[in-house]
Amino acid sequence: SQQGEEDPQALSIQEGENATMNCSYKTSINNLQWYRQNSGRGLVHLILIRSNEREKHSGRLRVTLDTSKKSSSLLITASRAADTASYFCATGSNDYKLSFGAGTTVTVRA
Amino acid sequence: GAGVSQSPSNKVTEKGKDVELRCDPISGHTALYWYRQSLGQGLEFLIYFQGNSAPDKSGLPSDRFSAERTGGSVSTLTIQRTQQEDSAVYLCASSLERQTGYTFGSGTRLTVV
Repeated sequence: SQQGEEDPQALSIQEGENATMNCSYKTSINNLQWYRQNSGRGLVHLILIRSNEREKHSGRLRVTLDTSKKSSSLLITASRAADTASYFCATGSNDYKLSFGAGTTVTVRA
Repeated sequence: GAGVSQSPSNKVTEKGKDVELRCDPISGHTALYWYRQSLGQGLEFLIYFQGNSAPDKSGLPSDRFSAERTGGSVSTLTIQRTQQEDSAVYLCASSLERQTGYTFGSGTRLTVV
């Protein structure tokens, strides 16, 4: 069963705009990760935020985590055509595996 | 190797035939994972290996599915008597240790006709 749920399911923005997507989860976590998938093949790890962290940055990416609301957000600033992809959140608890959501499909229009 | 390698990249098979999917993880990564992704869906966990042992096989959909890992490296996922509902992209990932970022392979797209 899926732990994380992304919102919205799909997002279309103009190049240069910011894109924000959210992830909600149900049970307590050890960490939360975001991945990008192009063309339905392998996923690329973007960023990991631990349960005791509230915000993390990596280049044009900003991730927040609110454990009281069991939610996370991923912000992509100054979007580019190359950011067109599906974005997945994945939650890790105290075992070995990550549970992935169904993803947000982002389309960046030139 | 430099990344996670999966083969074949595409496989078309007839219903009822057996298939083997291969994953070669990053050298030194002790954890290896198999996931399945149906069209437009999220990732469904199948099995996890720590070294050569699989502590949890509960994600395997049926007894037609099996997996092994040898030498703490290459893993093979076998699907016996394939059915049309087995059609999906099968993704393999590895990680240095638990609860760190995964490195995924490019997947095997399996089509059962």
